[in-house]
Amino acid sequence: TQLLEQSPQFLSIQEGENLTVYCNSSSVFSSLQWYRQEPGEGPVLLVTVVTGGEVKKLKRLTFQFGDARKDSSLHITAAQPGDTGLYLCAGGWSGNTGKLIFGQGTTLQVKP
Amino acid sequence: GAVVSQHPSRVICKSGTSVKIECRSLDFQATTMFWYRQFPKQSLMLMATSNEGSKATYEQGVEKDKFLINHASLTLSTLTVTSAHPEDSSFYICSARLGGVREKLFFGSGTQLSVL
Repeated sequence: TQLLEQSPQFLSIQEGENLTVYCNSSSVFSSLQWYRQEPGEGPVLLVTVVTGGEVKKLKRLTFQFGDARKDSSLHITAAQPGDTGLYLCAGGWSGNTGKLIFGQGTTLQVKP
Repeated sequence: GAVVSQHPSRVICKSGTSVKIECRSLDFQATTMFWYRQFPKQSLMLMATSNEGSKATYEQGVEKDKFLINHASLTLSTLTVTSAHPEDSSFYICSARLGGVREKLFFGSGTQLSVL
């Protein structure tokens, strides 16, 4: 059973365009994390959100945690070829020893 | 930031042999580490939770006799793929838990296993 639905799974856009990736669940999470992964490497943590309604910005990336802590979004402004990669959302629960459930991932390709 | 080292990064082996993959937390102690499997352009699938000093907890459908996990110290967990077969070929990734108010997971760089 996939607890985290991530969409879209594939996205190919031109440099300079904006995009949003969504992560939705029927479960409530204590925290939600976003990762970026390059081919042949492990995921790298971008951000962790823990409070319902929380918004975090990382340069051109904006992350939002839903009020009910069941969903999250990642918005990239003016995408650049260097943003190309696999983006993963992952939900966790407090007191669960750090175990995370990952979404299906979004493969982003930004064309110059 | 915290660093997790995973070794080897790539291994090619013959069918029927066993392969050991190491995951080390270099600058922090990790009582809990996780092992994942990932197929091309797909997400991470949690295989097991590795607990220092105790038996690993395996996810449903993961054969514990096939994927042996040992977490003998606070900085090292190993995954041994026993009697490997071509269908075991995959990208294996470990992560180590750093506790705290906003606890974090740090991932190794992965091991690409190819079984001939």
